Amino acid sequence: GDSVTQMEGPVTLSEEAFLTINCTYTATGYPSLFWYVQYPGEGLQLLLKATKADDKGSNKGFEATYRKETTSFHLEKGSVQVSDSAVYFCALTDSSYKLIFGSGTRLLVRP
Amino acid sequence: DSGVTQTPKHLITATGQRVTLRCSPRSGDLSVYWYQQSLDQGLQFLIQYYNGEERAKGNILERFSAQQFPDLHSELNLSSLELGDSALYFCASSVGEGKGTEAFFGQGTRLTVV
Repeated sequence: GDSVTQMEGPVTLSEEAFLTINCTYTATGYPSLFWYVQYPGEGLQLLLKATKADDKGSNKGFEATYRKETTSFHLEKGSVQVSDSAVYFCALTDSSYKLIFGSGTRLLVRP
Repeated sequence: DSGVTQTPKHLITATGQRVTLRCSPRSGDLSVYWYQQSLDQGLQFLIQYYNGEERAKGNILERFSAQQFPDLHSELNLSSLELGDSALYFCASSVGEGKGTEAFFGQGTRLTVV
């Protein structure tokens, strides 16, 4: 079945450092791809999405590009802030439209 | 605030008991999804309803059941609870169905089975 693999955390960075969280997927057909973020004690919030190959999703300084040839959707941010500390989930929607999530990557940004 | 309301926020119960988790979707959303988040299993899809009908089923145990009512709110019933059922249960809703459709998540119900 469809699946998502993302890099294990935690990822610890200093403020203003560059962030990359790797995400690859396995899917039949052409899924849509998402990044969700979960702040402590809260539910998941959509960060960005891309619905077809070569689409770039972006929001709040975060970006990810749908790469069909490498089946990847890596999350990047040029300069992280302490407030970006959270757990980030890569996900896809399969043919039945449900979200399938990766295992999550915890990001800790230090001042 | 996502607009999805889950109650209760916390629930502590004993093994063998039955509990009901409630979800009110965002106004106008027809789809409701239930997910279980645990430390060892991550975020697991349980079940989806669309306008009152079951649409997709995931790794949902036979001891668990759900339904979506005519007013579109949904309930997840967990019975014969075991220690391993302790987890965070999320409800999400979306306007409809479609690969690019954004799902909005509630804050979850934290279930602790003792």
